[in-house]
Amino acid sequence: EAQVTQNPRYLITVTGKKLTVTCSQNMNHEYMSWYRQDPGLGLRQIYYSMNVEVTDKGDVPEGYKVSRKEKRNFPLILESPSPNQTSLYFCASGMTINSPLHFGNGTRLTVT
Amino acid sequence: QQPVQSPQAVILREGEDAVINCSSSKALYSVHWYRQKHGEAPVFLMILLKGGEQKGHEKISASFNEKKQQSSLYLTASQLSYSGTYFCGTASGAGSYQLTFGKGTKLSVIP
Repeated sequence: EAQVTQNPRYLITVTGKKLTVTCSQNMNHEYMSWYRQDPGLGLRQIYYSMNVEVTDKGDVPEGYKVSRKEKRNFPLILESPSPNQTSLYFCASGMTINSPLHFGNGTRLTVT
Repeated sequence: QQPVQSPQAVILREGEDAVINCSSSKALYSVHWYRQKHGEAPVFLMILLKGGEQKGHEKISASFNEKKQQSSLYLTASQLSYSGTYFCGTASGAGSYQLTFGKGTKLSVIP
């Protein structure tokens, strides 16, 4: 089944404790992206990747890192999480930016 | 900069029509529409590209005015299943990989 898999679905952590949210797709998509969703603010793009080893900042990249060492994986790294990064995070992938994006089921992160 | 969607929310009775608008202050190459139901991930509806190409579901209708940097999503004869939050996303250039979404329009269809 074609899908984008994010893990974990829920995560509660403390300020400053490094964490990684994984994202994997099985559709051989070149384009992958991370979004955060907050009430009233819609979906805001954090980082995106056009292909392996090629990434770039979205609209809200501060406090986040990404890597794209393999085509299928695009992890989101929070080196030192802070409470303002409490949010619902979505990973998405598509063949190109102008193809339908497939979204993962989301990761709800709480930073205390 | 996020595109601006209007209205922010709308309530319809089954069978009524609605239009959701999306406008940008930047020149656009493509406009994307997604629907998100409560507690779920966004789901693709349509992409409209500069030059007139469209990709999406047959039952979904939308327009893209390149000169005005605006797009509209038309929901006709609404069904209960149309309820959800609709997002438009915009990309500014053929070589741009940044897809910026608006804040969403919440659509509620009631019996």
